[in-house]
Amino acid sequence: QITLKESGPTLVKPTQTLTLTCTFSGFSLSTFGVGVGWIRQPPGKAPEWLALIYWSDEKRYSTSLRSRISITKDTSKNQVVLTMTNMDPVDTGTYYCVQRQVSETGGLKAPLGGYYWGQGTLVTVSS
Amino acid sequence: DVVMTQSPLSLPVTLGQPASISCRSSESLVHGDGNIYLNWFQQRPGQSPRRLIYKVSNRDSGVPDRFSGSGSGTEFTLKISTVEAEDVGVYYCMQATSWPLTFGGGTKVEIK
Repeated sequence: QITLKESGPTLVKPTQTLTLTCTFSGFSLSTFGVGVGWIRQPPGKAPEWLALIYWSDEKRYSTSLRSRISITKDTSKNQVVLTMTNMDPVDTGTYYCVQRQVSETGGLKAPLGGYYWGQGTLVTVSS
Repeated sequence: DVVMTQSPLSLPVTLGQPASISCRSSESLVHGDGNIYLNWFQQRPGQSPRRLIYKVSNRDSGVPDRFSGSGSGTEFTLKISTVEAEDVGVYYCMQATSWPLTFGGGTKVEIK
């Protein structure tokens, strides 16, 4: 059974750095094709992918946020960590950890299977 | 980035009646492998999103057959043949053809 759980601060001050940890079970991030990413959802708005890290340590970042975010993995601990600098009230929202799988042929990745979501953690940015 | 545009924003529906949601992409979603990776998600109040449809028209396991997806190119549709009370929530299309994966703005389905 695949599970993911987000942890981290619920309240962050403007300009501070947010660090969120995703702890997962039921799969390994060293398995070919596996990726874990972060999605955020502001209150009442659509979800937005922030970052994704693959089994190979390949990383993908949101176009608009790439200068502020970093994603890393610790395979031995079954954890993925998201860091977001210079937090602002507009960054308030629910942050989800999500697992996805891909196939890869000739360097081209293609989606494979479904998405497993954590329950999400609400992060509020306020002074 | 591929922009996904959904309509309508809100969809009041009578129980037992059909519902239809549109999603348009700013560019073709045909992947290099020839597939179109267009998904539909349902988000019930207070829950994480759940995928209903993948590759335009394939239902995920456990999804009732009243949900169906269709479309091609840049125009896609999610249909609910007969809306039930448990279908209340927000529906999002999401393209997974190219990074960054992007969601539509959402359509809120509510009962009249």
